[in-house]
Amino acid sequence: DAGVIQSPRHEVTEMGQEVTLRCKPISGHDYLFWYRQTMMRGLELLIYFNNNVPIDDSGMPEDRFSAKMPNASFSTLKIQPSEPRDSAVYFCASSLSRAGSYNEQFFGPGTRLTVL
Amino acid sequence: SQKIEQNSEALNIQEGKTATLTCNYTNYSPAYLQWYRQDPGRGPVFLLLIRENEKEKRKERLKVTFDTTLKQSLFHITASQPADSATYLCALVGDDKIIFGKGTRLHILP
Repeated sequence: DAGVIQSPRHEVTEMGQEVTLRCKPISGHDYLFWYRQTMMRGLELLIYFNNNVPIDDSGMPEDRFSAKMPNASFSTLKIQPSEPRDSAVYFCASSLSRAGSYNEQFFGPGTRLTVL
Repeated sequence: SQKIEQNSEALNIQEGKTATLTCNYTNYSPAYLQWYRQDPGRGPVFLLLIRENEKEKRKERLKVTFDTTLKQSLFHITASQPADSATYLCALVGDDKIIFGKGTRLHILP
């Protein structure tokens, strides 16, 4: 398996523009997580899905952020409109449920977002 | 509020020695704790998981301890090598939440 795939790897956009980040989890994994990482705040969980259903979105910072998982092999994280403070590295991760939702997670390479 | 702290931002260790990283937490009762390794420009990679009823876990040169009384986990790398240089993150899981520490940058000096 190729692992978790994220695209794009880098995104530079201007304030106010819509940004869409994409993720393909490892085949067979039933949990998918979106994280944001900054120097100031570290790695923060934004939202996670189980079997394509959003379970906990309490980490989503504002209504400007939305996430979808239309099928088991694809998820998107959208920011509309984007702001400079959204600049960060966004990671997608997936896992296979065994004894709980937060088992060994497999992270993608991340998308580095810069909002000017 | 829940807080998780990793002992220092950076740690320099001589090759061959044991590196010990610390993860402390407050206002939290995790069911288990995970350690991840992160290299520059890459996503974190899972290393070990230890449950609240386990005192110690080992995997090759890695050892993790979990003291729920002290609210602390120690992560040891024995016979350290320059290839072990990376950032190490601890993550606490409990109450259906996961919280990551900011990580410790470990440098193994040849």
